[in-house]
Amino acid sequence: DAKTTQPPSMDCAEGRAANLPCNHSTISGNEYVYWYRQIHSQGPQYIIHGLKNNETNEMASLIITEDRKSSTLILPHATLRDTAVYYCIVRLRLGTDKLIFGTGTRLQVFP
Amino acid sequence: DTGVSQNPRHKITKRGQNVTFRCDPISEHNRLYWYRQTLGQGPEFLTYFQNEAQLEKSRLLSDRFSAERPKGSFSTLEIQRTEQGDSAMYLCASSDGTSNTQYFGPGTRLTVL
Repeated sequence: DAKTTQPPSMDCAEGRAANLPCNHSTISGNEYVYWYRQIHSQGPQYIIHGLKNNETNEMASLIITEDRKSSTLILPHATLRDTAVYYCIVRLRLGTDKLIFGTGTRLQVFP
Repeated sequence: DTGVSQNPRHKITKRGQNVTFRCDPISEHNRLYWYRQTLGQGPEFLTYFQNEAQLEKSRLLSDRFSAERPKGSFSTLEIQRTEQGDSAMYLCASSDGTSNTQYFGPGTRLTVL
């Protein structure tokens, strides 16, 4: 799996959009970008994934650059409950590959 | 709730004791993964089952660790002769063969005194 680089921490005001970046410059053509988050003392929660097109679901939007070397997870209206560590992972979707987590980005949403 | 469940949620044991954790995956998910997470780190892969077959094991899984999934449904992870370094959160995840998106349980937090 390609390695990812994320900033260690970010702050966001409640109600504003949180934009979490991820660099994955060595991603291969058949690898997807996955995002998970982990709220303190809980298991990781799946958020969204994508290959090359932008994706949106009820939780977030995922913007992948045209060259696929980076992506941004967008939480459109951050709430205090979005405070968590966010992990960006690249992997084969249909492979049996385990998830390889880095240290993620710690997002702190403040009132 | 049809998510992944893990029991117990917390376990405190003395060094040298054996412990066993259980994971119940999402119904009909044929793939099951175990991960371990220490403080300040992301989860690290331990082992993976497809149905009842254990297909991959990490080098982190020492001889004191054993995992089973006897009927292809729930799984157990046993640690023998626990050491203080085994203190961690043990996470279980499951996925189906279609989307292969892994869904995690709440974890079992092990403290070895």
